[in-house]
This record gives sequence, structure tokens and C-alpha cells, in this order.
Amino acid sequence: AQSVTQPDIHITVSEGASLELRCNYSYGATPYLFWYVQSPGQGLQLLLKYFSGDTLVQGIKGFEAEFKRSQSSFNLRKPSVHWSDAAEYFCALADRGSTLGRLYFGRGTQLTVWP
Amino acid sequence: GAVVSQHPSWVICKSGTSVKIECRSLDFQATTMFWYRQFPKQSLMLMATSNEGSKATYEQGVEKDKFLINHASLTLSTLTVTSAHPEDSSFYICSARRTASYEQYFGPGTRLTVT
Repeated sequence: AQSVTQPDIHITVSEGASLELRCNYSYGATPYLFWYVQSPGQGLQLLLKYFSGDTLVQGIKGFEAEFKRSQSSFNLRKPSVHWSDAAEYFCALADRGSTLGRLYFGRGTQLTVWP
Repeated sequence: GAVVSQHPSWVICKSGTSVKIECRSLDFQATTMFWYRQFPKQSLMLMATSNEGSKATYEQGVEKDKFLINHASLTLSTLTVTSAHPEDSSFYICSARRTASYEQYFGPGTRLTVT
């Protein structure tokens, strides 16, 4: 069965520091993977996605993620965090076997940025 | 592009009344729309998936007679919470999927409070 695990519930970093948010997945084939960001009281915004090809994908707001099949991981990174990056981050997997294309979400990682 | 709107953004209603939430894809056609519920500090819980012109598919444990979903066109889906009770108070988020794509675009959410 497909699932997504985000091991870290809460991460705190200083502004300007680098960031890595972890995401592991379970899926029987090559997955479609996404990272979304949610600010308080808002919907989700797509940061980046991986479907196939280059395993290092670039997204918006300076984020990137690397797909590692051997580790079943899709970690999100940013070299220098800004205070405005404080938000909830969700990793998600699309069920390619379903015509409906539902997403399976991790539980989310809350990012706090210290000034 | 790929903007999804929700209306209203927040609503307060009395116990026993019904509330309708609209979800619109503004600049693309969405064959499939999804309705999620989100509790504080938690991930998204998929309630149901709707395809234009057909009946919604509800997740296990979601009462289809209580949460009525109608996907009347390729740009509009509605969620009606019937006979609302305080336990229905939550943040409801919709998303829309482009035809032949696995990307989902999310609305800004609707905060429902039942008194």
C-alpha cells in the first residue's frame, strides 16, 4: 500500500541557515511526488513535483528536492531560509494506479524560522 | 495559471442548519475535484472525490448523506454540510486536478464554525 512518512513534526532553523525536510514513501512503482507548503489558515501551494527524469527538481521560492529511489526518499532542501518560509510543509504521493489520481499526504512538518 | 477559489472563506452557522461551500477552478477545466478536511495541527484528510457529471466517491467513514457533493461542471464543485453540528466545525479545503494530470491545485480553504 502507498504511504508517505515525514519523520519530523517540527523543525526550527535560524534565518539564513540551510534546510532539509525529510520525506519517505512506500509505493510499488515509480511514484509521482510533490511538496506543498501551507501558511496558517490557507490552502496548499505546490512547491515542486517529480514525475520522471532528472532526480533533482527545482521548485518555486528557491526550493529543490532530490528523488532517491534506493532510499525511497524525496527530501526538500533550501540553501538559505528566509523568515517568510515559516509554514507547514507536506510531502505527497500520487496514486498513478488510480484514475482519480488521489494524493497521499504525510503528516506535515512545521517549520519555525528564528530571526 | 491554475487558480482555485473557495467561497465562503469562513462561515458561522447554527446547529441543525445546512451550509454550502463552493469550489471553482478559475482558469482551467477540472475533471476531478477533491474535498479535504483538516483539523488543527494535522494533515489533510480526504473526504471525497468528485468527477464532473457523476456521483462522488466517498472515503470510508465519511457520511455521504451528511456531506453532499455535487460536481455540476468542469469548473465547479460544491460541498453541502447538512444538519451541521458542532463536531462538523473544521477547515475544509478543495482541490482540482487538470484533465490528464496528477497535479492538484488547492483552494484557500473554508473555516466552518457550527454553534
